[in-house]
Amino acid sequence: EVQLVESGGGLVQPGGSLRLSCAASGFIFSSYWMSWVRQAPGKGLEWVANIKQDGSEKYYVDSVKGRFTISRDNAKNSLYLQMNSLRAEDTAVYYCARDPESGSYSIDYWGQGTLVTVSP
Amino acid sequence: NFMLTQPHSVSESPGKTVTISCTRTSGSIASNYVQWYQQRPGSSPTTVIYEHNQRPSGVPDRFSGSIDSSSNSASLTISGLKTEDEADYYCQSYDSNNLNYVFGTGTEVTVL
Repeated sequence: EVQLVESGGGLVQPGGSLRLSCAASGFIFSSYWMSWVRQAPGKGLEWVANIKQDGSEKYYVDSVKGRFTISRDNAKNSLYLQMNSLRAEDTAVYYCARDPESGSYSIDYWGQGTLVTVSP
Repeated sequence: NFMLTQPHSVSESPGKTVTISCTRTSGSIASNYVQWYQQRPGSSPTTVIYEHNQRPSGVPDRFSGSIDSSSNSASLTISGLKTEDEADYYCQSYDSNNLNYVFGTGTEVTVL
């Protein structure tokens, strides 16, 4: 069974930093692109970033470029999102997500999410 | 860059059929696959349709997807509505220009 378990969310002040982690199990982690998707309270879904199987390619939504860094450790079956210079508008539930093997630029499995709140 | 526009909400009675549209604002809807995700209140999203019209295992055949190049839109149809279908539904595609995934604005489905 595919499982994605996020951790690391919490309350942080504007300008602060936070590192999210996602522990993957139930599949060969190193064979899949992985993504982070966020959802602000009461709002829709927004794709944040994704990373290739070997970490050699990474892509970001414009609003987080230069502030967020996606990374992975295939030996630990883990995905990360380092978030710096956080703003109030980054407040959201952050979902770890797996891209399917088909390469269809979509998501087939989602984690349960971790809440990040940016507030003084 | 393009957006995917959905109706804010739709409602229908149990047993009826609803269709949710997802209109691409620029570029061809057929140029990249469209997916549909269901998000029940308080839960994570799940995939109900991928690659325009494919159903993951476990998703009932009451759910179907299609695209229409003439209207540059995708559609999710849910037939034989059940109360368990009450959820938010999001379409999603890919922007080959900026290499970003694009989500639709979301549609709240209410089963009266």
